[in-house]
Amino acid sequence: AQKITQTQPGMFVQEKEAVTLDCTYDTSDQSYGLFWYKQPSSGEMIFLIYQGSYDEQNATEGRYSLNFQKARKSANLVISASQLGDSAMYFCAMSPRNSGGYQKVTFGTGTKLQVIP
Amino acid sequence: DAGVTQSPTHLIKTRGQQVTLRCSPKSGHDTVSWYQQALGQGPQFIFQYYEEEERQRGNFPDRFSGHQFPNYSSELNVNALLLGDSALYLCASSLFSDTQYFGPGTRLTVL
Repeated sequence: AQKITQTQPGMFVQEKEAVTLDCTYDTSDQSYGLFWYKQPSSGEMIFLIYQGSYDEQNATEGRYSLNFQKARKSANLVISASQLGDSAMYFCAMSPRNSGGYQKVTFGTGTKLQVIP
Repeated sequence: DAGVTQSPTHLIKTRGQQVTLRCSPKSGHDTVSWYQQALGQGPQFIFQYYEEEERQRGNFPDRFSGHQFPNYSSELNVNALLLGDSALYLCASSLFSDTQYFGPGTRLTVL
């Protein structure tokens, strides 16, 4: 079974500053994927970034980067130069990968980020 | 490039009724997954459909069933609705179970 832990229920960050959202995971699978999603108050889940368990380099997508530490089973999201539009819930998620690809995605409880002007 | 679409946006039902939610995947995607998100929680996996077959199922009762059509669109059916079924239902699509992209969701209220 997979488990995702997000220990920060809520966080504040000043506009234009960087922020790190924590995520740890637990799995016995050797091959898996880690994902971060953003959920604004409108409800839609927006895909941000992906890291495969065998990827040696940390993933980056624009202002988002994933700090992947496999031995510690952590996959923290770093948002650089925060913007007011970054205020939202952020979910860390993972899925084991087999010949059928990614199927069941397990989500954490989320971190509510608020960007202060 | 059309993203994932879901209908209806909102729905109100009473206990014991049945409901059908619909999802059209992102253009080029062939796999559809459904999730239930209760208020204040992360989404919970219901099931995934590929090639019109249910590939994997989460811990949900048989009251939850689904279907995928030849054009890859999908339906989620919930029978004998309970108050606890009130939630945001999210559909996600992917290309052969790669990264999943979500739709805007259907908010179901059971009275």
